[in-house]
Amino acid sequence: AQSVTQLDSQVPVFEEAPVELRCNYSSSVSVYLFWYVQYPNQGLQLLLKYLSGSTLVKGINGFEAEFNKSQTSFHLRKPSVHISDTAEYFCAVSSSGGYQKVTFGIGTKLQVIP
Amino acid sequence: GAVVSQHPSRVICKSGTSVKIECRSLDFQATTMFWYRQFPKQSLMLMATSNEGSKATYEQGVEKDKFLINHASLTLSTLTVTSAHPEDSSFYICSARLTGTEAFFGQGTRLTVV
Repeated sequence: AQSVTQLDSQVPVFEEAPVELRCNYSSSVSVYLFWYVQYPNQGLQLLLKYLSGSTLVKGINGFEAEFNKSQTSFHLRKPSVHISDTAEYFCAVSSSGGYQKVTFGIGTKLQVIP
Repeated sequence: GAVVSQHPSRVICKSGTSVKIECRSLDFQATTMFWYRQFPKQSLMLMATSNEGSKATYEQGVEKDKFLINHASLTLSTLTVTSAHPEDSSFYICSARLTGTEAFFGQGTRLTVV
């Protein structure tokens, strides 16, 4: 079984300030890790993913995340946020084998304040 | 990246009728497709895993007779909500897996049962 914990349900941040959205996971097997963004009434868009290799992963829209196996974390960061980054962000995990059922965290709403 | 198309994006139906949602992988063959449901301000919950040519595997608590899933080809899976009721109103999202890596998500379908 696998699970994802997103510690913050809402994160308000001023425009051009840095932000970190926290994610911790639990799994008994090797995993793939993902961050998705969801704008209102839309589906999910992949921001970035960790499959293997370098633990620092860069994604779209200036986001990056670091896989920390010892702390079972995959926190999402951006050095300077924009109003357009206001959205819901989901951390997700899947096993690296089999049918790769994806388990999602409850989401973190990022609200960028002008 | 790979594209998954979901149709319709929005549907309103009367209580007691059935609604079909289509999920297509446009530029790849998806041996596995997943159906998720998302309640307002909540995360995505996996409903079922659909493998081409075989019966879907439903998650615990999901009524398979109510949510009929058909995966007739490598590019198409359908979810039919039978005898819909207002409590079935939700956001339904499909995803399709590309062999070896992650799953790609459709844009979602907003179902409103009146």
